[in-house]
Amino acid sequence: DGGITQSPKYLFRKEGQNVTLSCEQNLNHDAMYWYRQDPGQGLRLIYYSQIVNDFQKGDIAEGYSVSREKKESFPLTVTSAQKNPTAFYLCASSSGEVNEKLFFGSGTQLSVL
Amino acid sequence: GESVGLHLPTLSVQEGDNSIINCAYSNSASDYFIWYKQESGKGPQFIIDIRSNMDKRQGQRVTVLLNKTVKHLSLQIAATQPGDSAVYFCAERPTGNQFYFGTGTSLTVIP
Repeated sequence: DGGITQSPKYLFRKEGQNVTLSCEQNLNHDAMYWYRQDPGQGLRLIYYSQIVNDFQKGDIAEGYSVSREKKESFPLTVTSAQKNPTAFYLCASSSGEVNEKLFFGSGTQLSVL
Repeated sequence: GESVGLHLPTLSVQEGDNSIINCAYSNSASDYFIWYKQESGKGPQFIIDIRSNMDKRQGQRVTVLLNKTVKHLSLQIAATQPGDSAVYFCAERPTGNQFYFGTGTSLTVIP
């Protein structure tokens, strides 16, 4: 979807386990984002990064961690501290310029075993 | 209609009719707005955007209207088709590069 690849499509987490969701973009975008989507709700921002080696917490960062070692990659780790991780996770990117829209990946559905 | 913070889940229209999806945004400082379409199990797709210095913008079969006085955004889809069935989200950008999304409206097109 628009040069953003998320993997895997489906992921299952056991109790106490950390899992990592992958997000790669080939759009040469500076900014990348992670959103969480629950059924019947809008997208909520977890973390975002405007440049390599820098990232900021969004509205619901607790229980999640990210890294931005490369421009193309912005992996999200769902830690065992996140007690309600079941959701649809969406990665997005933008050029970071003023009034530039977000491009989304196809999402990862995370479920708890 | 849809609101960032409120929930209006469904809208049903006959094929060929026009659809209007509404969104009430919350921040008067928001300067950029986007409508997205999301099909089941997929990521949101960009439909159309509008800047706060505009009242109306048209695309192919879609029109977005912005009323800053009452903080209201609407998406009009002309001659709605079965392929238009999806959830539609509005997004506002109050500051920097952070976007805030509404809860979405599920559009069902009846053949």
